[in-house]
Amino acid sequence: DTEVTQTPKHLVMGMTNKKSLKCEQHMGHRAMYWYKQKAKKPPELMFVYSYEKLSINESVPSRFSPECPNSSLLNLHLHALQPEDSALYLCASSHPTGGRAKNIQYFGAGTRLSVL
Amino acid sequence: GDSVTQMEGPVTLSEEAFLTINCTYTATGYPSLFWYVQYPGEGLQLLLKATKADDKGSNKGFEATYRKETTSFHLEKGSVQVSDSAVYFCARRIANAGGTSYGKLTFGQGTILTVHP
Repeated sequence: DTEVTQTPKHLVMGMTNKKSLKCEQHMGHRAMYWYKQKAKKPPELMFVYSYEKLSINESVPSRFSPECPNSSLLNLHLHALQPEDSALYLCASSHPTGGRAKNIQYFGAGTRLSVL
Repeated sequence: GDSVTQMEGPVTLSEEAFLTINCTYTATGYPSLFWYVQYPGEGLQLLLKATKADDKGSNKGFEATYRKETTSFHLEKGSVQVSDSAVYFCARRIANAGGTSYGKLTFGQGTILTVHP
């Protein structure tokens, strides 16, 4: 099983709303990632959690707030977003150790976010 | 810095045609290399991988060989189908540094493939 589950699949929010994206995996992966993908572009890394601790923040605006409450779950809290934040948000996870052969990132189907 | 360069698309083929999508990478360290595929409206799926020089990754009729001498990882398929229409991303994983337990992926720009019946 290499499934990463993201909810919701679609989200429409106003600029004053607060919403959250959820990502879940049960593969025992201890590294989890958030990416942002604009249309016809490659994914851009936002955050990396390793063993439930934030390891990388790629200078993401504070209106995006990640949270990793346990080893299976990753959230992305959204507040006061701008229309230019509309994009596909992808979650991924990977095995923490075992060398390069095991450190493969598996992606969820994404949440398509529209900010009005 | 680390980078991945893919051939520009879009690529349009007829069913059963031969496919090549070129990918080259910068030769910093000893990266692992991947091809991901993104079907319309979906997330990324791992298509194939290679972790060292001369490795050949293969899956669903697609193949790619890790060529260290040319720093390339070209994707090929002998006979494409309409269902192969998607965006294909080449990626390299930056080797773990400082004992970190994760790997950062660097993606190419993606190549849109459309296959007509």
